Amino acid sequence: DADVTQTPRNRITKTGKRIMLECSQTKGHDRMYWYRQDPGLGLRLIYYSFDVKDINKGEISDGYSVSRQAQAKFSLSLESAIPNQTALYFCATSDRQGDNQPQHFGDGTRLSIL
Amino acid sequence: LAKTTQPISMDSYEGQEVNITCSHNNIATNDYITWYQQFPSQGPRFIIQGYKTKVTNEVASLFIPADRKSSTLSLPRVSLSDTAVYYCLVGDTYAGGYQKVTFGTGTKLQVIP
Repeated sequence: DADVTQTPRNRITKTGKRIMLECSQTKGHDRMYWYRQDPGLGLRLIYYSFDVKDINKGEISDGYSVSRQAQAKFSLSLESAIPNQTALYFCATSDRQGDNQPQHFGDGTRLSIL
Repeated sequence: LAKTTQPISMDSYEGQEVNITCSHNNIATNDYITWYQQFPSQGPRFIIQGYKTKVTNEVASLFIPADRKSSTLSLPRVSLSDTAVYYCLVGDTYAGGYQKVTFGTGTKLQVIP
């Protein structure tokens, strides 16, 4: 979904480095999410934000932090990367207006930590 | 959180109708059922959502029995481009967002020429 853009698309880095993954959206949605996807485990929620001042931990937040710089921007940071954080990371958005609005996903960032 | 169970993989020939069933025995009263499709190297994409009975859109149909303990995604006349992983999600997303909805491992559909 081109309305949700993730950068970079691919990143290789070393253990101990600080890494930031960025997500921007043009859909005007209030809600944004960060997931990681590992083979055989589906998608797991890391953090979510319902507006600029509302940020919450998800299922697997340890080792991660986030920043909601604006309604359209939600970044994920790995303060000190470790190899088991190697995964595919997805950002998603959803609209708070109306019943059960679907999520819209970016195309992911493939992160490898050596 | 409602746990879902769906087949790990399925094969189908082009032109056939494909039905993928998802079990969700502990679905709650406020939970909706949502299906997503994911191609390699892409994020999941919303297909269809429903609460009860039948829902149809231009892509698929969703059948939900009265007890709501299962649901079936039906893809009519599949083509090779329908080869993807299909996720069944169950949760209360009304006004609350998706923080209480979990993605399972999905069903990998392989369409054969």
